Amino acid sequence: EDQVTQSPEALRLQEGESSSLNCSYTVSGLRGLFWYRQDPGKGPEFLFTLYSAGEEKEKERLKATLTKKESFLHITAPKPEDSATYLCAVQKGRDDKIIFGKGTRLHILP
Amino acid sequence: DTAVSQTPKYLVTQMGNDKSIKCEQNLGHDTMYWYKQDSKKFLKIMFSYNNKELIINETVPNRFSPKSPDKAHLNLHINSLELGDSAVYFCASSPGVTSNQPQHFGDGTRLSIL
Repeated sequence: EDQVTQSPEALRLQEGESSSLNCSYTVSGLRGLFWYRQDPGKGPEFLFTLYSAGEEKEKERLKATLTKKESFLHITAPKPEDSATYLCAVQKGRDDKIIFGKGTRLHILP
Repeated sequence: DTAVSQTPKYLVTQMGNDKSIKCEQNLGHDTMYWYKQDSKKFLKIMFSYNNKELIINETVPNRFSPKSPDKAHLNLHINSLELGDSAVYFCASSPGVTSNQPQHFGDGTRLSIL
């Protein structure tokens, strides 16, 4: 069964304390893996797309990486404004359907 | 110049009523979606339309009926609302079904059933 699992469920960090969020997936024929950020009361906001193992993308303090079984979202020296829920989603095969993980709630303490 | 806009933002209604949620995108995308996000924040696809045609219809009660008058609009009508329908409903759009480009989301409609 196609599945996307994110860990940890929640993470509290001190400002400046770097860490990584994990997204493991079991889907056939991965077309793309997406990372989104969701703030309370808002819709998911697109961050990155990764298409093949070994690919990396960076944006400010965030860096996303992809292997054949999982993706990591590394956050370096986070700031309180990085607090949000981070969602991972995969698109498989010819199917346009995207499967979301349950997200990681990240809280950065000042 | 909101890319994907939904109305209303909040909807509070009684069980058994019928209600509609509207969605419009100005990105020129061909494909639009409806998602349901439950109390545990799990986002699950309900429907997908490509150029006004239904292409994804997940296991959703037939009380839910999407309608796409044109490719920039996808509305969701819900009949005989039940307590379990309480959730946040998100509309999204993407360039097309053969594209592996990301989806762009609206800010959601929070539906509360009394």
